[in-house]
Amino acid sequence: GQQVMQIPQYQHVQEGEDFTTYCNSSTTLSNIQWYKQRPGGHPVFLIQLVKSGEVKKQKRLTFQFGEAKKNSSLHITATQTTDVGTYFCAGRKNTGGFKTIFGAGTRLFVKA
Amino acid sequence: SQTIHQWPATLVQPVGSPLSLECTVEGTSNPNLYWYRQAAGRGLQLLFYSVGIGQISSEVPQNLSASRPQDRQFILSSKKLLLSDSGFYLCAWSVQAGVNTGELFFGEGSRLTVL
Repeated sequence: GQQVMQIPQYQHVQEGEDFTTYCNSSTTLSNIQWYKQRPGGHPVFLIQLVKSGEVKKQKRLTFQFGEAKKNSSLHITATQTTDVGTYFCAGRKNTGGFKTIFGAGTRLFVKA
Repeated sequence: SQTIHQWPATLVQPVGSPLSLECTVEGTSNPNLYWYRQAAGRGLQLLFYSVGIGQISSEVPQNLSASRPQDRQFILSSKKLLLSDSGFYLCAWSVQAGVNTGELFFGEGSRLTVL
């Protein structure tokens, strides 16, 4: 079945350092979404990428969708303690359907 | 505005007991509805999704079932819980907009502990 792999599983950084999480799919995706889940909370939507090679920015966050629409990345510049949480990528198959498959997530720890 | 309600927030159940988690969405019509499960420190596993009343697609074989008796109501059930059913259950909805449906809106989650 469709799988979405995400690495690393955990990342510890010092406040001010950069952070990147990577997402890879075994099949071509129609879109990729990114979510953030704070400890004890529920996932909250960050962004959706649809086009091949697309790059979007939200303040210190940069999201990329690969040319082949099989991989994606989230990069945070100069992390802050408020960035703590788990970041999930989620993709949908190119053949349609309504199910969104999540990666395992990358848990970010930021030390002040 | 749209809201999603999920309950109960927390429950502790003995092995072999039944389960019913309920989710309702307000402020939208004909949403796609989803049940996900998140084991401790793990990712989100899609359990069921529904595109309409009475239409349920199951993603993994298990002793859980889902029903959609009304357009904006989604219920997760089990007749006999197993220890492995423990986890954080999340209901979500999205707009039905063709192939490229949009973002998922999650409920607050239901934390189930089976003893």
